[in-house]
Amino acid sequence: GEDVEQSLFLSVREGDSSVINCTYTDSSSTYLYWYKQEPGAGLQLLTYIFSNMDMKQDQRLTVLLNKKDKHLSLRIADTQTGDSAIYFCAVMSGNTPLVFGKGTRLSVIA
Amino acid sequence: DVKVTQSSRYLVKRTGEKVFLECVQDMDHENMFWYRQDPGLGLRLIYFSYDVKMKEKGDIPEGYSVSREKKERFSLILESASTNQTSMYLCAISRRPNTEAFFGQGTRLTVV
Repeated sequence: GEDVEQSLFLSVREGDSSVINCTYTDSSSTYLYWYKQEPGAGLQLLTYIFSNMDMKQDQRLTVLLNKKDKHLSLRIADTQTGDSAIYFCAVMSGNTPLVFGKGTRLSVIA
Repeated sequence: DVKVTQSSRYLVKRTGEKVFLECVQDMDHENMFWYRQDPGLGLRLIYFSYDVKMKEKGDIPEGYSVSREKKERFSLILESASTNQTSMYLCAISRRPNTEAFFGQGTRLTVV
């Protein structure tokens, strides 16, 4: 089945850009999602990209998709302390529930 | 706004107790899911349901059961709670199994 990998930790300085990476294995994946989880809360859908797109921008968020390498990234411009959270990549594969990565904990240093 | 409500934010139970975690949605979505979240392991799917009275096992169903008697409500049952079931439990809903999921706020369960 689908396997989704993310690095576990990322630390950036306030005002810098953050780039969170995700790789997946199923080349037939059609929708790819990014979720954010703040401490003690559930997951909040941030953005998504359809597999026929290379890039999607939404305010400070940019999603890049490289289908050939099966690599997805989330860039957060001008990272703020409020962006500190765990970020999950999730991939739609066939008719089964979304497959989630283990999450990347982003720490923003003031 | 999508609303997925889990009955408790925090719960403390004793080993061997029967535990019910409730999840209610107001979106009329067909699909409901239960995950547990543990540090370093991410989200693991316990059970899901495509329709009333239907259930499917996820990746880690052992020690759990579920009930879906009404479309809007999906219950996770720990038949005999054990300390290794101490975790954060997350309920989610979606319109179809493979579309974006919307999550509840989570229940942090501690079994002592």
